[in-house]
Amino acid sequence: DAKTTQPPSMDCAEGRAANLPCNHSTISGNEYVYWYRQIHSQGPQYIIHGLKNNETNEMASLIITEDRKSSTLILPHATLRDTAVYYCIPTGANTGFQKLVFGTGTRLLVSP
Amino acid sequence: GAGVSQSPRYKVAKRGQDVALRCDPISGHVSLFWYQQALGQGPEFLTYFQNEAQLDKSGLPSDRFFAERPEGSVSTLKIQRTQQEDSAVYLCASSPSRTDYEQYFGPGTRLTVT
Repeated sequence: DAKTTQPPSMDCAEGRAANLPCNHSTISGNEYVYWYRQIHSQGPQYIIHGLKNNETNEMASLIITEDRKSSTLILPHATLRDTAVYYCIPTGANTGFQKLVFGTGTRLLVSP
Repeated sequence: GAGVSQSPRYKVAKRGQDVALRCDPISGHVSLFWYQQALGQGPEFLTYFQNEAQLDKSGLPSDRFFAERPEGSVSTLKIQRTQQEDSAVYLCASSPSRTDYEQYFGPGTRLTVT
């Protein structure tokens, strides 16, 4: 599985965009990048995933560099409810099932 | 619709006791996972079921840990002779298919061994 590097913590003002980076320089060609978040005392929640192209859904946008060695999760207008730990997870190729390998993630604090 | 539910939400056990943690996945979901999350860490994989078959148990930390899903729906994670190092949050997740990495997590069971 590809290794990831994420900053341990980030701060963001409410209403501003939160840009969460992730390095995954050892990612292989057929591995997707998945993002999950975990709000305090809850289970992780799926946010978005991508392979090569940028992706957008109702929760966030995902920008993947052309060489696929890094990606950025963008929360366009952060709210207090977005305070959580965010995990970047390259998915293993050909494992036969979808085990998620979490790192330690980025703790995002959104302040008023 | 109903999400993944887990019970109990909190469990305190004395060292040496056996515990059983229950997971009710989303109806019809083929895949079921158990993860263990220590304080301040990300979740770590324990075991995987496809329907009633336990296809991977490589993450179970010792033979005191046992999981089952006899009818391909509800699953139970059992820990025998609990130790203090078993204190953690135990998370259950399900997904509709074998190939989908989008997993739906329950709220977890916080186990404290005293």
